[in-house]
Amino acid sequence: KQEVTQIPAALSVPEGENLVLNCSFTDSAIYNLQWFRQDPGKGLTSLLLIQSSQREQTSGRLNASLDKSSGRSTLYIAASQPGDSATYLCAASGGGADGLTFGKGTHLIIQP
Amino acid sequence: EAEVAQSPRYKITEKSQAVAFWCDPISGHATLYWYRQILGQGPELLVQFQDESVVDDSQLPKDRFSAERLKGVDSTLKIQPAELGDSAMYLCASSFPRLSMEETQYFGPGTRLLVL
Repeated sequence: KQEVTQIPAALSVPEGENLVLNCSFTDSAIYNLQWFRQDPGKGLTSLLLIQSSQREQTSGRLNASLDKSSGRSTLYIAASQPGDSATYLCAASGGGADGLTFGKGTHLIIQP
Repeated sequence: EAEVAQSPRYKITEKSQAVAFWCDPISGHATLYWYRQILGQGPELLVQFQDESVVDDSQLPKDRFSAERLKGVDSTLKIQPAELGDSAMYLCASSFPRLSMEETQYFGPGTRLLVL
């Protein structure tokens, strides 16, 4: 059974800093790895999807990498802004399940 | 832009009562998912439909939960009777076609359930 772990559980940094969120998964037989953003009391917004054959994806200030062999993914946020404050969820698809397997998320606070 | 619709957005009920949630996926999406998200946790898959058929309901507590997608379009998730531990956010998602390397799931805004 796929298990996804996210570190750290919470992170608070001053505005303007670059930061890295970590995700690890136990079963490397995945279709893809996705990063979502969730604002308090809201649904999920897809940020980046990395196919299993890819190493990284970029969107604006966000860059996500994937290393299947080690079961790790990172989300890099450049020049953080207060509007980036949210919970960031990592999810793996495949690995024995059709639905997504999520980590518990990293609660990010960007201090103005 | 097409979106996944869910209703109600919020529901407060007393334990032992019945409650139902509705989801309308993005038009043309054959696959529909229901997830439950307990506060402070990531979403967990409850049930997956491909058109009107259940593909995976291994994590659905079948003694009290039921889900249907009769015409392969919109879907209803029901809880009867509700228990205090059912308090959570219930998220619906859809994708087309079945999950693949390139395909993502699109999530609705969720229904937040509070059982008193």
